[in-house]
Amino acid sequence: DAKTTQPNSMESNEEEPVHLPCNHSTISGTDYIHWYRQLPSQGPEYVIHGLTSNVNNRMASLAIAEDRKSSTLILHRATLRDAAVYYCIPMYFKAAGNKLTFGGGTRVLVKP
Amino acid sequence: DVKVTQSSRYLVKRTGEKVFLECVQDMDHENMFWYRQDPGLGLRLIYFSYDVKMKEKGDIPEGYSVSREKKERFSLILESASTNQTSMYLCASRPLGTSGRNEQFFGPGTRLTVL
Repeated sequence: DAKTTQPNSMESNEEEPVHLPCNHSTISGTDYIHWYRQLPSQGPEYVIHGLTSNVNNRMASLAIAEDRKSSTLILHRATLRDAAVYYCIPMYFKAAGNKLTFGGGTRVLVKP
Repeated sequence: DVKVTQSSRYLVKRTGEKVFLECVQDMDHENMFWYRQDPGLGLRLIYFSYDVKMKEKGDIPEGYSVSREKKERFSLILESASTNQTSMYLCASRPLGTSGRNEQFFGPGTRLTVL
């Protein structure tokens, strides 16, 4: 599995954008980049994934560097509900199985 | 709404007891997983199952077994609970994937304390 580096924590004001960086310089060409988040006292939940192109969904956007050695998760307008630990997970896709290996993640604090 | 439920949010057991943790999903998913989460160690995979009666060991299967008799249900069994199995246990499910998406749906977790 590719190793990842994420900042331990980030703070944001409510309604402002949050940019969460992830360095994954050892990623292989076939690894997808997944992001999950874990709200307090809950199980993790999927946020977004991508391979090479930037991706958008209702929760967030994912910007992937051209060399794929880093990516940035963008929360466009942070709300208090977005306070969570965010995990970046490069992963080779398999139809069956595919464990998730969570690193330390980035703890996001949203201030009202 | 898709749902993964776990039988208990909190559980206290004694050393040596046999412990059953139950997980049920209502999404007809083929893959199901059991993880444990400990501070500083992240999530670690105990076992997973990709079909009924099929199971594979994860990274830390010692001291655990699993059972999948029905597609929707995946049970984790601690044959003889020990204090080092005190942890948060998370169940997850995932459909047989396509197009690189590995969205796993997690239950709320069971915080197990072994005294």
